[in-house]
Amino acid sequence: AQTVTQSQPEMSVQEAETVTLSCTYDTSESDYYLFWYKQPPSRQMILVIRQEAYKQQNATENRFSVNFQKAAKSFSLKISDSQLGDAAMYFCAYRSGYYGGSQGNLIFGKGTKLSVKP
Amino acid sequence: GAGVSQSPRYKVAKRGQDVALRCDPISGHVSLFWYQQALGQGPEFLTYFQNEAQLDKSGLPSDRFFAERPEGSVSTLKIQRTQQEDSAVYLCASSRTSGGEETQYFGPGTRLLVL
Repeated sequence: AQTVTQSQPEMSVQEAETVTLSCTYDTSESDYYLFWYKQPPSRQMILVIRQEAYKQQNATENRFSVNFQKAAKSFSLKISDSQLGDAAMYFCAYRSGYYGGSQGNLIFGKGTKLSVKP
Repeated sequence: GAGVSQSPRYKVAKRGQDVALRCDPISGHVSLFWYQQALGQGPEFLTYFQNEAQLDKSGLPSDRFFAERPEGSVSTLKIQRTQQEDSAVYLCASSRTSGGEETQYFGPGTRLLVL
């Protein structure tokens, strides 16, 4: 079974600074997708960034980028130029690329609570 | 609609009561997922629909949990004889297709408190 581990329950960053959130995962599959979701206090989960396992190039979305290390099964999120609106819970998630069985549900880590200091 | 909606947003139930939670996915989305999020935890998968077919219910914690999507759009998660351990936020998500690369769009959730 696949597992996702986020070892940092809480992180703090100064506004305009850079912060990196860690995520490791365990799988025997070769085809999968990795995601970072943001969950503000209002609880609506929002996709931040996605990485396909078959792509070597790290995904980037504006101020958000990932460091995907497939061999190490590591998928960290870097937030540059942090803004007050970035304060939220961040969840790392895994999804199998294979059909059948779970049919593609997301497997989440326990989350990292990010605080942004003005 | 513009996004996934869920109702009610909050529900307080007495232990032993039945509850029904509704999810309205994004129009035209084939796939619909239900997740349960306990306090301080990440969401955990409950069940999955592709159109009206429930293809996976392996995450449902007991036979008190039942989900349906009869016309392939709106879905209802029903919990019978609620217990205190059922207290959680129930999240619904939909995606355009069942492909692994598809983004799942989440609703705001229903916070259930069982007293």
